[in-house]
Amino acid sequence: DTAVSQTPKYLVTQMGNDKSIKCEQNLGHDTMYWYKQDSKKFLKIMFSYNNKELIINETVPNRFSPKSPDKAHLNLHINSLELGDSAVYFCASSQELQGGSYEQYFGPGTRLTVT
Amino acid sequence: GENVEQHPSTLSVQEGDSAVIKCTYSDSASNYFPWYKQELGKRPQLIIDIRSNVGEKKDQRIAVTLNKTAKHFSLHITETQPEDSAVYFCAASTKAAGNKLTFGGGTRVLVKP
Repeated sequence: DTAVSQTPKYLVTQMGNDKSIKCEQNLGHDTMYWYKQDSKKFLKIMFSYNNKELIINETVPNRFSPKSPDKAHLNLHINSLELGDSAVYFCASSQELQGGSYEQYFGPGTRLTVT
Repeated sequence: GENVEQHPSTLSVQEGDSAVIKCTYSDSASNYFPWYKQELGKRPQLIIDIRSNVGEKKDQRIAVTLNKTAKHFSLHITETQPEDSAVYFCAASTKAAGNKLTFGGGTRVLVKP
C-alpha cells in the first residue's frame, strides 16, 4: 500500500547507456514531479505533469525525457548517461487541497550511479 | 524565478535545546511554504507547512513563522530529541509556477544526547 513507489531503487550503469526509472502513485493525485538530489543534497525540480500534461520543464538536458502514460504513472528516460547524472532521483505527487496547500508526497528515490 | 536561501547549513544542538532554521525567498508571489525532513537514505517528508495568509503555525514541538513583508520564514523546534537529527529543507511555491517547490539548500541538524 505504498503511496508513491519507484523502480529501481538502485541503478548502476556505464557512461553512454540509456536507462529508465519508473514511478507510480496510488493516491489519486493529478500532479506528479521528478526531482534530482545531487551529492550535496540539493533538491531541484526537473519536470512536472498534471493529468498527463507537461506543465513544468526546467532547464534539463534533452537527454532526459519524461513520459506520463496516465495520471498515476510518470517515467523518466535518460539517454547517453554522463558521470554528472549520478544523483538520487525522487518522484513526487500532489493534489491541491482546499485552502491552497498541496503536500507533495515523495517516493523512496532511485540512486543512479554512472561509472 | 524563485530563489530560496536557507541558513545555517549545519546546526548542532544539545538535547532539550531549541533549534531555529531560517529561510528567505525572492518571489513575492510565492504563497505556500512547506518544511521537509529527510533522514539519512530516506525520502523527504513534510513536517509542517504554512500559507501566506497565516503568520504562524504550530504543531506540538514544531512551529513555523512567516514574514511576508521581509520575505522570510523560519522553523522552530523546541525540546529537541536525538530523533530530530536529520536534514531539513524549506521550500516555496506559487500556483502560477505550476506549484513547483523551490527548495533551500538544506540544514543538517545534529541533536547531541
